[in-house]
Amino acid sequence: NAGVTQTPKFRVLKTGQSMTLLCAQDMNHEYMYWYRQDPGMGLRLIHYSVGEGTTAKGEVPDGYNVSRLKKQNFLLGLESAAPSQTSVYFCASSTGQGASGELFFGEGSRLTVL
Amino acid sequence: GQNIDQPTEMTATEGAIVQINCTYQTSGFNGLFWYQQHAGEAPTFLSYNVLDGLEEKGRFSSFLSRSKGYSYLLLKELQMKDSASYLCAVMDSNYQLIWGAGTKLIIKP
Repeated sequence: NAGVTQTPKFRVLKTGQSMTLLCAQDMNHEYMYWYRQDPGMGLRLIHYSVGEGTTAKGEVPDGYNVSRLKKQNFLLGLESAAPSQTSVYFCASSTGQGASGELFFGEGSRLTVL
Repeated sequence: GQNIDQPTEMTATEGAIVQINCTYQTSGFNGLFWYQQHAGEAPTFLSYNVLDGLEEKGRFSSFLSRSKGYSYLLLKELQMKDSASYLCAVMDSNYQLIWGAGTKLIIKP
């Protein structure tokens, strides 16, 4: 099984450019998440989805948009990239909350904004 | 505010035992997770505790005290492949995960 797949793995952008990160999961999970990971900080939740067609803001949503048109896909968009968005982005999925809240992560997407 | 504290870095010797502590202050509690993350890779699930006590899983054990807001991850018979960051995360009353910054564990031969 592929699990959670993220594309692209690496990307370099100039300030002001836009891009979309794609996350796909083949485990039929209801919940999907986008996190960013920066040195010296814990994972920070950007946006999440509790099911197809739903999205919600996390801890650091500004400058990002998301869509969950299909259950297996969760897209993260940057409309106008800024250097502060240089980070490693992880997509994750889970079956639910509590004990079933175990997250399955993608391999990460390393984004550099110049 | 919500806060998770864990040591930034620890060093241990191959074959030894190491304990990684995590203290937390959160709005409610719905469980505590430990994840392992090798450099340049994704985090992977290690353990989940929601009741007080020790959960053992092979060489790894995780302990929880809800009254003290404290957990530890115990790694026995350390191997070089255990060199990684260990992330503590608490699920709050809204079922949101609050993450610590992680503890980088360095294993020396």
